[in-house]
Amino acid sequence: DAMVIQNPRYQVTQFGKPVTLSCSQTLNHNVMYWYQQKSSQAPKLLFHYYDKDFNNEADTPDNFQSRRPNTSFCFLDIRSPGLGDAAMYLCATSSEAGRNQPQHFGDGTRLSIL
Amino acid sequence: AQSVTQLGSHVSVSEGALVLLRCNYSSSVPPYLFWYVQYPNQGLQLLLKYTTGATLVKGINGFEAEFKKSETSFHLTKPSAHMSDAAEYFCAVSGPGGYQKVTFGTGTKLQVIP
Repeated sequence: DAMVIQNPRYQVTQFGKPVTLSCSQTLNHNVMYWYQQKSSQAPKLLFHYYDKDFNNEADTPDNFQSRRPNTSFCFLDIRSPGLGDAAMYLCATSSEAGRNQPQHFGDGTRLSIL
Repeated sequence: AQSVTQLGSHVSVSEGALVLLRCNYSSSVPPYLFWYVQYPNQGLQLLLKYTTGATLVKGINGFEAEFKKSETSFHLTKPSAHMSDAAEYFCAVSGPGGYQKVTFGTGTKLQVIP
């Protein structure tokens, strides 16, 4: 089945130690998104790509960066994680830049900060 | 600008009873509306969507939702709750512009009591 795969499912890192989360997709979708979701809250969009066109949300901290080397892969880099960055990180894709297109989500990476 | 309000952060129903999860939206453009379900430690899964056309939309797992423009509502219903329906449900509205950026509601956690 075509899908969105996030690795690892659980990631533990130390305060201030850089960490990278990965996402791959077999759906061949143009658009990829990264969300942060804290406990019992709605997902919060960090950034998204339309093909290689990168779009940063205005309130996404500078500590968060992303790379999309090709259609299939997208990475989330957290340069110096703080305790407040502990959350579930969700990757999603959509087939084109249309408002009626649903998003397809991976199962997320739960990030813990020691 | 667009926004979504989900009434009730927690809803409890008995197994076999009607499920009703409320969602009201605000949108500066004709709305495209979505309901997603999230099971523990998983990503979001599309239940159903309204774009244009028929206002009663049927989704997966026996859920349906009715778009009511006059009430700016898109409530989710299921005639008979099943234990497997216990999850968190998010209503979302698609924003203006070319990209499929959505605004999520804060979610409603559904508990099903045996």
